[in-house]
Amino acid sequence: EAQVTQNPRYLITVTGKKLTVTCSQNMNHEYMSWYRQDPGLGLRQIYYSMNVEVTDKGDVPEGYKVSRKEKRNFPLILESPSPNQTSLYFCASSLRAPGWGANTEAFFGQGTRLTVV
Amino acid sequence: EDQVTQSPEALRLQEGESSSLNCSYTVSGLRGLFWYRQDPGKGPEFLFTLYSAGEEKEKERLKATLTKKESFLHITAPKPEDSATYLCAVQALGDSNYQLIWGAGTKLIIKP
Repeated sequence: EAQVTQNPRYLITVTGKKLTVTCSQNMNHEYMSWYRQDPGLGLRQIYYSMNVEVTDKGDVPEGYKVSRKEKRNFPLILESPSPNQTSLYFCASSLRAPGWGANTEAFFGQGTRLTVV
Repeated sequence: EDQVTQSPEALRLQEGESSSLNCSYTVSGLRGLFWYRQDPGKGPEFLFTLYSAGEEKEKERLKATLTKKESFLHITAPKPEDSATYLCAVQALGDSNYQLIWGAGTKLIIKP
């Protein structure tokens, strides 16, 4: 089954304790991205990756890191989480960058609800 | 500045009562417009992609249309299971950042 898998689904952590949210896709997609979703603010892109070893900042990259060492994996790293990073996080993948040709719709993971206390 | 605005923020309908959701966009040029459905606590689920004015796509009770300034998601004879938040996103021409611009969504509630 084609899917994007995020782990963990729920995480409560303390300020300053490094954490990683994993994301894996099995569709051989080139483009992957991370979003956070907050009430009233909608989806905001954190980082995206056009392909292996190619990553770039989205709209809200401060406090986050990513890496793309393999095509299927795109982990999100919070080196020193703070309470303002409490949010619902989504990983997404698509065959190519959105709109660049046909079949570029994004497939989203189930989400990771992160609470930083 | 590129912008996507969805209206209304929320819409309550009776089962069977047809209506439309609006997504208006301001971009220098449109590469593609996407509609997604999101259920509470879950990731958005792709519905449609529209590329040019005049284009229409249908899926069950949903029909998406596109003009040069906006897109409509028409819902015909909705059922309670159509209740969800509907998101619109745009990819602008000439956007070297390869990013989607997202609207805030319309929360649709269908009462039995």
